[in-house]
Amino acid sequence: DTGVSQDPRHKITKRGQNVTFRCDPISEHNRLYWYRQTLGQGPEFLTYFQNEAQLEKSRLLSDRFSAERPKGSFSTLEIQHTEQGDSAMYLCASSPLMTSGIETQYFGPGTRLLVL
Amino acid sequence: AQKVTQAQTEISVVEKEDVTLDCVYETRDTTYYLFWYKQPPSGELVFLIRRNSFDEQNEISGRYSWNFQKSTSSFNFTITASQVVDSAVYFCALMEYGNKLVFGAGTILRVKS
Repeated sequence: DTGVSQDPRHKITKRGQNVTFRCDPISEHNRLYWYRQTLGQGPEFLTYFQNEAQLEKSRLLSDRFSAERPKGSFSTLEIQHTEQGDSAMYLCASSPLMTSGIETQYFGPGTRLLVL
Repeated sequence: AQKVTQAQTEISVVEKEDVTLDCVYETRDTTYYLFWYKQPPSGELVFLIRRNSFDEQNEISGRYSWNFQKSTSSFNFTITASQVVDSAVYFCALMEYGNKLVFGAGTILRVKS
């Protein structure tokens, strides 16, 4: 059983450019999460999907950020008009949908973004 | 509001020493879950343990043990006989019903040979 994968692992871009990241969750995991981690801090929640539905978005997710999970499998996170403050590690996690209790989230290796 | 505090920014130990990583949390809910994750230099967060708020039993897994005390809102993590491979950033996290993890700032553990 493969883990969560993310692509690309590293991205360097110039301010003002658009970037898109992809996350492939563990197969059969219904829930998919995006977090952002800046240097020296813990990850911060951005948004999550249950199947193809985006159920919650953090106020950290400005209008320049958009996430999709069109077929309930992989997800993309796009940042438009990047700013230097967007430089961070973007982490994806997935979990199964349980009928009771809380599911453990399993994380991918992350995409490290540097905006010049 | 939910909050997780890891007061120790960085800890350095010599191999074979025992080390305890502290975690203090705040929540208004009676039902919640606590997690520990390890982040090695490669960057991937590795799940270590999950506890629910109704289960205060301590847990031991090999060299790892966890002490959950609701009275002090703490969920501390001890590594016995540390090894160089334990060097990483360790995160404590809290989840109330709703699936969003709230992480502490992490503790950098350096184990020297």
